[in-house]
Parts: sequence; structure tokens; C-alpha cells
Amino acid sequence: DSGVTQTPKHLITATGQRVTLRCSPRSGDLSVYWYQQSLDQGLQFLIQYYNGEERAKGNILERFSAQQFPDLHSELNLSSLELGDSALYFCASSPQGATNEKLFFGSGTQLSVL
Amino acid sequence: AQRVTQPEKLLSVFKGAPVELKCNYSYSGSPELFWYVQYSRQRLQLLLRHISRESIKGFTADLNKGETSFHLKKPFAQEEDSAMYYCALKGGPGGGADGLTFGKGTHLIIQP
Repeated sequence: DSGVTQTPKHLITATGQRVTLRCSPRSGDLSVYWYQQSLDQGLQFLIQYYNGEERAKGNILERFSAQQFPDLHSELNLSSLELGDSALYFCASSPQGATNEKLFFGSGTQLSVL
Repeated sequence: AQRVTQPEKLLSVFKGAPVELKCNYSYSGSPELFWYVQYSRQRLQLLLRHISRESIKGFTADLNKGETSFHLKKPFAQEEDSAMYYCALKGGPGGGADGLTFGKGTHLIIQP
């Protein structure tokens, strides 16, 4: 167990809907990262937060947004969902994001858009 | 631009045979490279990092800056090595300020 918790494990919804994925990092970790994993694109970095503030953005669509709360948990909001958004969404955390730190991954949320 | 390339989507070898999972990268600075592994129904986890020059579960990986490669090797494959393997590069627009840019992964299958 990495200590990173993601809920829910599975989510099935319809096109056009909005969902929220939740991530609780390891105790004490300040950095949270969101990744999207699909069969054709592999693991794609979406966004990083550090101590409540956005630190870096990757291939995140405008329909998607995220935030990190004072207790350091993070939420990824996906709106106007499309079939192509179906994927496994991973959250990872690290203590600070210093050089050569490893990431600790959650078990992911499997999103299915029907 | 920073990029990680794993040319093989699937690699199948017999138990006891040597394994080499290829990884090439492009990065303008001094790279920090990692191998992550995802066993069936388990979460992604770190296997090894180049800076540690370690051997984990019999796997080693050497950074070759001249060839911009970080291939993962194991002399004798075991059935429990079957998994998805991801090569990752720290930093860059694909990984965020401190995050990782991942390759698309290689599915390693060890046949009995």
C-alpha cells in the first residue's frame, strides 16, 4: 500500500455529465500529481499541485480542472464528458517534489463514459 | 522537447531467458531516469532509479548518455516478472515541474 488513496475506484457515467475524482496523498506529502492512462496514449501527465497551488500543467483539457485543498487532498473535476475521456485516472504524491524523489501512486479511478 | 520512447509495446520471452526492455529519451539537461512497474491489479510502483545504481528483483538499468538510453535488463526472466514496465524521465512539460514524463510502456510477458 503506497498510502495514496483514490475514490471512487470505478465510475460509470454518460456523455455530457460531470464527475469529481478524489485523491488523498500520503501523510505529509505536499505534491499531488494527476495522470490519465489510456491504451493508446499511455500515462499522460495532467496537472501538479504543491501545497495548495498549481505548479505545472500538462495535457489537461479545458473541460478538466483540479484543486488542492488546505488538508492537501486533491480533486480532479471532469465536465462535459466525452466517450474519449474513458480512462484510468491516477493520482500520485511526493513529499516535496525535490530532485530524484519518487512518486507514490494511488490505485486509480476507472472512468467509463457511455 | 523532453520525450521518452519505449519502442516495444509487447515483449514476450521464455522463463530463464534474458530480458531487455528498451528506453530512449530526449532531454536537454542532465536526465534523471526511472523505471516503474505495474503488476496485474496492482498500482504503479517504482522499480529502480538510475541515480541509485541499484539492482531490484534482479533488474538493472544503466544510463547511457551517448546513446540517450536507459534500457532495463535482467539476465534470467521469471514468471513473476510479467507486468507493464514504464520508463520515466523527471521534469519537462510532459511531467510537470517535479513530476515524471512516462513512456507508453512495454507489456512484458514471461512464458513458462
